[in-house]
Amino acid sequence: IAGITQAPTSQILAAGRRMTLRCTQDMRHNAMYWYRQDLGLGLRLIHYSNTAGTTGKGEVPDGYSVSRANTDDFPLTLASAVPSQTSVYFCASSERTGDYTFGSGTRLTVV
Amino acid sequence: GQNIDQPTEMTATEGAIVQINCTYQTSGFNGLFWYQQHAGEAPTFLSYNVLDGLEEKGRFSSFLSRSKGYSYLLLKELQMKDSASYLCAVLDSNYQLIWGAGTKLIIKP
Repeated sequence: IAGITQAPTSQILAAGRRMTLRCTQDMRHNAMYWYRQDLGLGLRLIHYSNTAGTTGKGEVPDGYSVSRANTDDFPLTLASAVPSQTSVYFCASSERTGDYTFGSGTRLTVV
Repeated sequence: GQNIDQPTEMTATEGAIVQINCTYQTSGFNGLFWYQQHAGEAPTFLSYNVLDGLEEKGRFSSFLSRSKGYSYLLLKELQMKDSASYLCAVLDSNYQLIWGAGTKLIIKP
């Protein structure tokens, strides 16, 4: 089934630990995005990539890094997790600007 | 700054009609999107408006007035499965989507 796969589905992480959230798409979309969604705040863009080999910072990039070695994969890394990074993380991709396909999300709790 | 406003929560009755409003102030405008998000799930694309007027797609319609910075999503013949959050998003001058916080729609029998 074409779409976006995120892993893990959920994770409880000790503060200070390093964590990589995985995102893979099979639609050959050029653009990919990482969002976090917190109650009452809506979706906030962390990082994005318009095409393989390029990345850019979104609204809330601090504490996160990404890479885009190929078209399909767009991992998000938390170098040293803090409790404020507790959130639901969504990866998305798009072929046409604004028409996004989202992954099912990763629920991350940092304790 | 950039801002998108929509009501936090709305309640409607099964079979009725509901209108969810969205107002925006953004740096540039390259289109407005509506997404549906069921609890615990990912958002899914509903509609796209870039020109003024009404776009109809089955039971759902979306309206845009660029001069007023205003859009609404109209849901007709409401069904229980329409209970979800509805997210308004604007594509700004940098072609980045700016998201509203979403409107939680509760449908009562």
